[in-house]
Amino acid sequence: GDSVTQMEGPVTLSEEAFLTINCTYTATGYPSLFWYVQYPGEGLQLLLKATKADDKGSNKGFEATYRKETTSFHLEKGSVQVSDSAVYFCALSVLKLVFGQGTRLTINP
Amino acid sequence: SAVISQKPSRDICQRGTSLTIQCQVDSQVTMMFWYRQQPGQSLTLIATANQGSEATYESGFVIDKFPISRPNLTFSTLTVSNMSPEDSSIYLCSVEDRTRSTYEQYFGPGTRLTVT
Repeated sequence: GDSVTQMEGPVTLSEEAFLTINCTYTATGYPSLFWYVQYPGEGLQLLLKATKADDKGSNKGFEATYRKETTSFHLEKGSVQVSDSAVYFCALSVLKLVFGQGTRLTINP
Repeated sequence: SAVISQKPSRDICQRGTSLTIQCQVDSQVTMMFWYRQQPGQSLTLIATANQGSEATYESGFVIDKFPISRPNLTFSTLTVSNMSPEDSSIYLCSVEDRTRSTYEQYFGPGTRLTVT
């Protein structure tokens, strides 16, 4: 079945560091890919998406590129802030939404 | 995107009791979903709720334990029945946005349930 694998956390970085959270997927068909973010005590927010190969999704300084050849959708940000501390979920959708296990990110000042 | 609210935001319940969670959307939507997020875990789909038909449950979830109502296009409820401590989780509803060409889901703020 369809599945998503994320890099294990927790991830701790200093402010202004470069961030990469790896995400790979397995899917039958052609999925849409998503990154969701969950801030402490809140629900999930859609961060960015990509719907076909080589698409780049971007929002709030975060980017991810749909790489069909490597079945990946890694999340990147050039300079993280303390306010980026949250849990990040990679997800795919063919017939339904399937989530990765989540990666907890903590940014220290 | 749709604005989704849930009630209650949190609750502490005794084992053996039941809790009904409400989900309200500010626009009409065809498909609504209920998820469970156990402590420190990812989201697991419980069921899909379409207006005018019975909910479709995922493997491992049954109607007797998680009855769902969908009386109209803006509202749904999930009941957690005969609760045990293992039901302590965050329960989230979501809706699918079909005004866009891509499949997107938007989530409510969640209901944090603790069963003692």
